Amino acid sequence: NAGVMQNPRHLVRRRGQEARLRCSPMKGHSHVYWYRQLPEEGLKFMVYLQKENIIDESGMPKERFSAEFPKEGPSILRIQQVVRGDSAAYFCASSFRLAGTNTGELFFGEGSRLTVL
Amino acid sequence: KQEVTQIPAALSVPEGENLVLNCSFTDSAIYNLQWFRQDPGKGLTSLLLIQSSQREQTSGRLNASLDKSSGRSTLYIAASQPGDSATYLCAPAGANSKLTFGKGITLSVRP
Repeated sequence: NAGVMQNPRHLVRRRGQEARLRCSPMKGHSHVYWYRQLPEEGLKFMVYLQKENIIDESGMPKERFSAEFPKEGPSILRIQQVVRGDSAAYFCASSFRLAGTNTGELFFGEGSRLTVL
Repeated sequence: KQEVTQIPAALSVPEGENLVLNCSFTDSAIYNLQWFRQDPGKGLTSLLLIQSSQREQTSGRLNASLDKSSGRSTLYIAASQPGDSATYLCAPAGANSKLTFGKGITLSVRP
């Protein structure tokens, strides 16, 4: 059972370009979370998605950032018109929610490291 | 808003020592708490998950305790080894498994 798969592992973009980060959750997991880790900072929640639905996007910057988790395929975190401050490690996590519960254990991927030149 | 504090930021111990890593959080209305390990340039590895109804959880040389009412959790590592060197992160979970992270404790175990 493969873990959470993220790609690309490293991505370099110039200011103004677009970055697309992909996340395939663990098999059987239908809940996906995105976190961002800035240099010397802790991990910060960005967005929580279930298949075809955004459940909580309270941590997403209001502009340039979007996320989706389509019925088929991986979850995508998209950053338009990147700026140097977007340079960070972006981590995806997935969980399996037991029926009738509100929480489940999160499993994280290896992360995608974005560098903006 | 949940805030998580882990002190000290860094810790260096000789091999074989038993040690305790502390974590405090401000909002006691949590569903569970996870401890993770992060190696440099790598992802997070889940070590232990304690449900809000539990007091402690054990896995091998690791033991985590939770005192929800006082907003504290500890991770106990027995007989530390150089391979335990990493950053340890504490993350209480709110609704929908939304985790809040501290900045972590960077542990160095000297041979």
